Amino acid sequence: GNSVTQMEGPVTLSEEAFLTINCTYTATGYPSLFWYVQYPGEGLQLLLKATKADDKGSNKGFEATYRKETTSFHLEKGSVQVSDSAVYFCALNFGNEKLTFGTGTRLTIIP
Amino acid sequence: GAVVSQHPSWVICKSGTSVKIECRSLDFQATTMFWYRQFPKQSLMLMATSNEGSKATYEQGVEKDKFLINHASLTLSTLTVTSAHPEDSSFYICSARGTGLRNQPQHFGDGTRLSIL
Repeated sequence: GNSVTQMEGPVTLSEEAFLTINCTYTATGYPSLFWYVQYPGEGLQLLLKATKADDKGSNKGFEATYRKETTSFHLEKGSVQVSDSAVYFCALNFGNEKLTFGTGTRLTIIP
Repeated sequence: GAVVSQHPSWVICKSGTSVKIECRSLDFQATTMFWYRQFPKQSLMLMATSNEGSKATYEQGVEKDKFLINHASLTLSTLTVTSAHPEDSSFYICSARGTGLRNQPQHFGDGTRLSIL
């Protein structure tokens, strides 16, 4: 079946540091890939997505590139802020089917 | 655009009570809505998928009679936790997907924290 493996947290960084959160997937075929962010006490917000190989999703300074050859979709940001502290979920699906989520990575940014 | 409203955001009730949670798509029509459960510091577990006008499809291990789902319109789905017990305490999150094109993203509500005493 489909699965998503995420870098285990928690991750703690200083403000303005470079961020990478690794995500790899296992699936038959070419799924759509997503990063969702969950702020404390809230639901999930779509951060970015990519629907085919070599696509780059980007939003709010975050980027992730769909790498078919390594089945990866790593999340990056060049300079993190305290407001980026949240839990980040990598996910995949096919067409309009249900999402398969990774376990989530808790990110804390220290001023 | 694509706002999903979930209500209530927090509910505390006594054991044995039934609790209804509403999920509304405010500015789009949602053919499909999903209900998730999230335990502290864990990922989301899909409970069921509901399509407007038809019976919900439950994931393996989720009790249909315990978690009643109704998707009566293109903008509203409800989850009722029947005869709730402390072990049902959790964070419940809904999401909605719009009609039309393939690869529509899911839009999530802010969740409902359910505490059963």
